[in-house]
Order: sequence, then C-alpha cells, then structure tokens
Amino acid sequence: KNEVEQSPQNLTAQEGEFITINCSYSVGISALHWLQQHPGGGIVSLFMLSSGKKKHGRLIATINIQEKHSSLHITASHPRDSAVYICADNTDKLIFGTGTRLQVFP
Amino acid sequence: NAGVTQTPKFQVLKTGQSMTLQCAQDMNHNSMYWYRQDPGMGLRLIYYSASEGTTDKGEVPNGYNVSRLNKREFSLRLESAAPSQTSVYFCASSSGGVGYTFGSGTRLTVV
Repeated sequence: KNEVEQSPQNLTAQEGEFITINCSYSVGISALHWLQQHPGGGIVSLFMLSSGKKKHGRLIATINIQEKHSSLHITASHPRDSAVYICADNTDKLIFGTGTRLQVFP
Repeated sequence: NAGVTQTPKFQVLKTGQSMTLQCAQDMNHNSMYWYRQDPGMGLRLIYYSASEGTTDKGEVPNGYNVSRLNKREFSLRLESAAPSQTSVYFCASSSGGVGYTFGSGTRLTVV
C-alpha cells in the first residue's frame, strides 16, 4: 500500500505570503490529486496531475514522478485560503494523506 | 445543482442501533465511494462501487454494508452501530477515476 505523507501538518501565514505544502509517497503512482477541505467540512478537488505543473488562479501544483514528490503552492495568500489541503494517490482508488491545515491571518 | 447529495448531515445513534446513510449523484458517474474521516488520519475507503450492480470492500469495511441501488444512488448501512464508528462520512463519485466530487459529509456520533 502506498504511504502518502504531507508536510507540514500545520502552517500559519500572513496575508500575501507565498505558501508551499509538500506531499511525498512511497510507491510510484500514475496520478495525484490535490484537494481542499473547507472549515465547514466540504471537500473540493483542486488538481489532478500526472506530470509537470498545473496552475489555476493563485494555486500551482507540481509533481516530480522520479522523486515521488508533489508540491502545492499558493501565491499571494489570503485569509479565504484557510483550509485543510490534502493530497491523494489516484493510481487505483484514492489513498489520502493526513492533510495540511493552513491558516492565513490578515 | 449538479453534485453529490448526502443525507443526513448529522446523526446521533445509541450503541447497537442501525441506520442507513444515503448518497445520490446526478453527474452520470459510474463510480461511487464511501469514506470515513477520523481526527489525525486521512480519509479511508470503506466501500466502493465501480459500476451499477457491483460493490467492493475498501480499507475499512468491517461493520458496514452497502447497496448500489441504481447508477445514481449508493447507500451505506450500519447494522449495529459501535462507538468506534463515530466519524465523519463522505460519499464521492467519479468518472473513470478522474474528476472526483464529494458530498458535504455526515457527522455521526455513536454513544
């Protein structure tokens, strides 16, 4: 079974800061998901990627298949970005990391 | 609105009681899933259904049963609830393993 680990577990930032959340996995994968869980509990899929980089607004996700590592970057962070960010191995059924709780303060 | 609808949103059960969590999607997805989320742990797969008429166990199936009633609906049943089943439950659907959509969750407490 793939072990999916995220770091850091908790992250605080000031509004405007550049944020990086890391995800590593133990077994080679075909694709990786990044998801966002809002304080109210709802889960939204942000990206699915299998190579390179994807960008959506202020969010950028990268993946290095050889190094078994992915990063989620948030540029110009805002308090509304406060959420739990989760990565998941999408090779078969989703295997989730434990999440990174991000708090952005004004 | 297109999406995944879960009911109920909150439930308190006594140990030994039974209940069914309902899930319906209107995106014509083939695959549906039930996960549970516990503090300090990632979401874990309970059961999934790759297509109408099929169901398979996930990582933590003990104490649960499922029914894929039709393409839209996938229900999760607790026959005899235990305190260890206190959790937040999420239903999700996908089309061929891409484009996952999650329900809003059911917070279940077993006392």
